[in-house]
Amino acid sequence: EDQVTQSPEALRLQEGESSSLNCSYTVSGLRGLFWYRQDPGKGPEFLFTLYSAGEEKEKERLKATLTKKESFLHITAPKPEDSATYLCAVRNFGNEKLTFGTGTRLTIIP
Amino acid sequence: NAGVTQTPKFRVLKTGQSMTLLCAQDMNHEYMYWYRQDPGMGLRLIHYSVGEGTTAKGEVPDGYNVSRLKKQNFLLGLESAAPSQTSVYFCASSYSPARSSYEQYFGPGTRLTVT
Repeated sequence: EDQVTQSPEALRLQEGESSSLNCSYTVSGLRGLFWYRQDPGKGPEFLFTLYSAGEEKEKERLKATLTKKESFLHITAPKPEDSATYLCAVRNFGNEKLTFGTGTRLTIIP
Repeated sequence: NAGVTQTPKFRVLKTGQSMTLLCAQDMNHEYMYWYRQDPGMGLRLIHYSVGEGTTAKGEVPDGYNVSRLKKQNFLLGLESAAPSQTSVYFCASSYSPARSSYEQYFGPGTRLTVT
């Protein structure tokens, strides 16, 4: 069974203080690892897809990386508008569904 | 281009009542999904569809039914609501995995309370 564990559950940072969120996964055959951002009361918003170990993708202050066991979402010099819950999900080659982690709630303090 | 839309945004039901949630997408996606999101549980797949006229069970299908009569619409039905179905429901859609990109795009959600 596919499993996704995200840590920490919650993270509070000062504006400009860089950090990383972790997504550890267990899947028999990784078809893709997905990062989403979710604001309170809204649906998840797609950020990145990573397909193979060593791959990296960037968008503004966010950078996602992937190894064979985990993915990191690095946030550089965050701003208050980066505050949200960040969700990680994996897709198995033999499966149509995504398996989601429970997310990391990120708060950036001005 | 509205993306994925859901109707209604909020609903309160009494135990035993029925209702249908409507999802519509204008991205010509083949696949559509229904999830529920509960605190501490993450998003869980209820049912999904790989094309018009097809449906399949996800990991938590009991108590729900779905239909996909048109490619752009995916309906989620609760025949006899129970308090355990109190949740936030999200619809999502994606291209087929046969394409180069198949990330799922989510709607804004429906907050359902069953009393």
